[in-house]
Amino acid sequence: EIQLIESGGGVVQPGGSLRLSCAASGFTFSNYAMHWVRQSPGRGLESVSDISSNGGITYYADSVRGRFTISRDNSKNTLYLQMGGLRSEDMAVYYCARVVHSYGDYLDHWGQGTLVTVSS
Amino acid sequence: AIQLTQSPSSLSASVGDRVSISCRASQGIRGALAWYQQKPGKAPKLVIYDVSSLEVGVPSRFRGSGSGTDFSLTINSLQPEDFATYYCQQFNGHLITFGQGTRLEIK
Repeated sequence: EIQLIESGGGVVQPGGSLRLSCAASGFTFSNYAMHWVRQSPGRGLESVSDISSNGGITYYADSVRGRFTISRDNSKNTLYLQMGGLRSEDMAVYYCARVVHSYGDYLDHWGQGTLVTVSS
Repeated sequence: AIQLTQSPSSLSASVGDRVSISCRASQGIRGALAWYQQKPGKAPKLVIYDVSSLEVGVPSRFRGSGSGTDFSLTINSLQPEDFATYYCQQFNGHLITFGQGTRLEIK
């Protein structure tokens, strides 16, 4: 069974940092690109960042570029999102998801999400 | 960036009804469009990909169609478990964008 389990969410002050982790199992992690998506009540689903299967290529939404860093450790089957300079608008449930490629790229398995709250 | 606009934003229907949800793209996106279903407190679930391909395990009452800038998700003979929020999604390079969602409620 494919599982993605996020952790690391919590309450952080504006300007603070947090590192999210996503532990993958049930598939060959190193064969797949991975994605972070966030969801807040006011902004719906928002793609945050993407990383290629070997970690060599990364992409970021304009809203987080320069503040967030995506990475992965294929030896540990784990995806990370290092978040810095957190703002109130970053408050959301963060999901990791596996990317599958067909004609386009889609997210076929998702974690349960981890909540990030930015508050003083 | 390509924008996706879904309509309606919410929809009330009864068990057994057929419903359609529209997703309009700000520019042509060829065939790289998907639909997700999300229930409260849960992660989204992939339902349709490549416009009309059914994800494994998804009932055949779900159908995707469209081309160019206009796409739709149709659900035939609504079942109680189908009441949820649906999002369309497109892929453009490594950037994924989602529609704003359509909430399907029981009438």
